[in-house]
Amino acid sequence: AQTVTQSQPEMSVQEAETVTLSCTYDTSESDYYLFWYKQPPSRQMILVIRQEAYKQQNATENRFSVNFQKAAKSFSLKISDSQLGDAAMYFCAYRMSWVSNFGNEKLTFGTGTRLTIIP
Amino acid sequence: DVKVTQSSRYLVKRTGEKVFLECVQDMDHENMFWYRQDPGLGLRLIYFSYDVKMKEKGDIPEGYSVSREKKERFSLILESASTNQTSMYLCASSFRGRKSTNEKLFFGSGTQLSVL
Repeated sequence: AQTVTQSQPEMSVQEAETVTLSCTYDTSESDYYLFWYKQPPSRQMILVIRQEAYKQQNATENRFSVNFQKAAKSFSLKISDSQLGDAAMYFCAYRMSWVSNFGNEKLTFGTGTRLTIIP
Repeated sequence: DVKVTQSSRYLVKRTGEKVFLECVQDMDHENMFWYRQDPGLGLRLIYFSYDVKMKEKGDIPEGYSVSREKKERFSLILESASTNQTSMYLCASSFRGRKSTNEKLFFGSGTQLSVL
């Protein structure tokens, strides 16, 4: 079974600084997707960034970027120029590829990291 | 915008009651999911469905059942609610198959259920 581990229950960062959230996962698959989701106090889960395992290039979305290390099974999220609106729970998630697992497109989530932004 | 709507934001029930949590999506998604969110445990999958009348057990199905009679609606049922089912319940949906953004999950805003 696939597992996703987030070893930092809480993190804090000064506004405008950079912070990195860690995520490791365990799988025997070679083709899969990885995600970072954000859950603000409104509880609405928002997709921050996604990475396809067969792509070596790290995904970026504006101030958000990932460091994807496939051999190490590591998928960290870097938030640059942190803003007050970035305060939220962040969840790392894994999904097997559809090609090899039709009908089994569930996401497996980590336990989350609560990010606090210090003004 | 894709909308996943959960019928209640907050719900308080008594031990032993039968509880229905409803979820409706408006994007013609084949896949629908029920997750449970608890502090320190993250999101855990209870059940999912990849088509009408189809259901698959997730990681923690005990004490729950589901119903998917129509494509847009996925119901989570607690046959006899217990205090250890007090939790946040999140519904999600997605397309099935390899499309441009099919693997993305769209979430509802959650139902906080308290069982007293």
